[in-house]
Amino acid sequence: GESVGLHLPTLSVQEGDNSIINCAYSNSASDYFIWYKQESGKGPQFIIDIRSNMDKRQGQRVTVLLNKTVKHLSLQIAATQPGDSAVYFCAENIVSNFGNEKLTFGTGTRLTIIP
Amino acid sequence: DADVTQTPRNRITKTGKRIMLECSQTKGHDRMYWYRQDPGLGLRLIYYSFDVKDINKGEISDGYSVSRQAQAKFSLSLESAIPNQTALYFCATKKSGYYGYTFGSGTRLTVV
Repeated sequence: GESVGLHLPTLSVQEGDNSIINCAYSNSASDYFIWYKQESGKGPQFIIDIRSNMDKRQGQRVTVLLNKTVKHLSLQIAATQPGDSAVYFCAENIVSNFGNEKLTFGTGTRLTIIP
Repeated sequence: DADVTQTPRNRITKTGKRIMLECSQTKGHDRMYWYRQDPGLGLRLIYYSFDVKDINKGEISDGYSVSRQAQAKFSLSLESAIPNQTALYFCATKKSGYYGYTFGSGTRLTVV
């Protein structure tokens, strides 16, 4: 299944299938992007990150793809498990000319894994 | 002990009361941030600080103030709490020149 994060905030995937969560970011000055997982009542949990000079990075069962041309970021989760059910946020690290930096979050996508 | 500690974890307060949320860190990071999260939404930046004497407004600073008392401590105050400030509040830290943010476990604030 595939989701455009800001327009389709929920995604249901059968256990064992792959999932793709998409995110559009806004700022060309972003130098670093992070995907977070958040379970109910808990803080953001780091999943994977990617620097702006890369277009792909792989972790354990997760892959992040970055397309700077269209300002698009995606998170692929392979062989989904019930524990993957959560809300997923993309975040961009925006750096100003003065060296200020701040992390700006997208709206999030709720991923539900169906047993 | 957690690297970034937020106190209290939960708080219920009345409208009009002053309340302070505390964040302390043992990471040695120079940059600290306060975020707010409303149900079903992402985190929004309230204030951030790059060092003890540096304070910057985020996208939703109205109704809030902060104090960076030391490099390790960054507190968020609501001078006169109102019900629509009911939310989850997160503190985060970062070391300049490095990648990676560290988040606290959050403070759940309810204003009645």
